[in-house]
Amino acid sequence: DAGVIQSPRHEVTEMGQEVTLRCKPISGHDYLFWYRQTMMRGLELLIYFNNNVPIDDSGMPEDRFSAKMPNASFSTLKIQPSEPRDSAVYFCASSMGRSQPQHFGDGTRLSIL
Amino acid sequence: AQSVTQLDSQVPVFEEAPVELRCNYSSSVSVYLFWYVQYPNQGLQLLLKYLSGSTLVKGINGFEAEFNKSQTSFHLRKPSVHISDTAEYFCARLQGGSEKLVFGKGTKLTVNP
Repeated sequence: DAGVIQSPRHEVTEMGQEVTLRCKPISGHDYLFWYRQTMMRGLELLIYFNNNVPIDDSGMPEDRFSAKMPNASFSTLKIQPSEPRDSAVYFCASSMGRSQPQHFGDGTRLSIL
Repeated sequence: AQSVTQLDSQVPVFEEAPVELRCNYSSSVSVYLFWYVQYPNQGLQLLLKYLSGSTLVKGINGFEAEFNKSQTSFHLRKPSVHISDTAEYFCARLQGGSEKLVFGKGTKLTVNP
């Protein structure tokens, strides 16, 4: 079975550019999560969806970040405009049902120059 | 806020030695706990979970963990490690009333020949 698929795996862009990260969850999973991992702050939840509806976006750093889930098989995390401090590894995860384990993608390594 | 504390940031061990990675959580009425492993340049992979029931939980790759309510601990153990177990290990809990995973800061396990 295919796991959580993220694209791109690596992204290098200049400060001020728009960045879009993509995620395809595991088929049948009804929860989708976006995390950010940095050396300083570790793993942080940015936002999560249930049945395509955002439930908790309290971890989204600021208005430059936005996330959408237009259907059950696709989600995007967008940063506009990007800043060097946004450099991190961004993970998408999905799970089936409440309190079930989350399955992670391989992440997108984002570098903002 | 509910939290998870991993007491050791790095643990070096020799191959075939036993290992214990420590995790403590802040007390609450109910708690759901997880251990994840992250290999270099990969996402997180679930090792094991505690939702309820038996306090000794067996996971993949020969790992196990014991839920100890009185000591608010969920330590991860393996009786004999391999070189291939070299990775970073994260303890996590579900935030009460939500699907938000709260992670510890991780423990880097290095298995030396």
